[in-house]
Amino acid sequence: EVQLVESGGGLVKPGGSLRLSCAASGLTFSDAWMNWVRQAPGKGLEWVGRIKSKNDGVTTDYTAPVKGRFTISRDDSKNTLYLQMTSLKTEDTAVYYCATAGGFSGSPWNFQYWGQGTLLTVSS
Amino acid sequence: QAVVTQEPSLTVSPGGTVTLTCGSSTGAVTSGHYPYWIQQKPGQAPRTLIYDTSNKHSWTPARFSGSLLGGKAALTLSGAQPEDEAEYYCLLSYSGPYVFGAGTKVTVL
Repeated sequence: EVQLVESGGGLVKPGGSLRLSCAASGLTFSDAWMNWVRQAPGKGLEWVGRIKSKNDGVTTDYTAPVKGRFTISRDDSKNTLYLQMTSLKTEDTAVYYCATAGGFSGSPWNFQYWGQGTLLTVSS
Repeated sequence: QAVVTQEPSLTVSPGGTVTLTCGSSTGAVTSGHYPYWIQQKPGQAPRTLIYDTSNKHSWTPARFSGSLLGGKAALTLSGAQPEDEAEYYCLLSYSGPYVFGAGTKVTVL
């Protein structure tokens, strides 16, 4: 059974930094591409970004509002995905989910499994 | 960035049928957008029901189906059940980046 468990959320002041983690089990993590998705309180889902596997170059894509501020990385030895967030703004306040991604756009792995999310609050 | 449009809310009677649609500001939604439909109930994590327009996961109830309809992606719920009351999000791929719609609140009443 695939399980994704996010952690690292909390309260951060505007301009601050934080790193979220997503621990994965039940899948061959080193082969997996992974997504981050967020949801502001009472709002809809927003795709944050994606990282490919080492075999596919560990390349990353991001949504425009976070480019240059957020960095997705992975440690395959720990089966863990990361989201490093800097220059945080109040509008980054959200529940952050990790979700699986596939190696091609129509892959069933895309958004097939989701974690339960971790809450980031950016406030002074 | 493209904007994905969905109906804000829809109501369906128990046992009834309802169709949710998903449009794109860039033009017609095609199979090349690989439409996804994601269900979210209050306080729960999202759950993907449909991927790549019409494909179902093992947990997707048979009463849900995905299609392309009139230049949009569509999710049809046939034989609605009380437990289907939820927010439904459409997700489209734009050659790499993904964009979610704002969601459709489905009420079973």
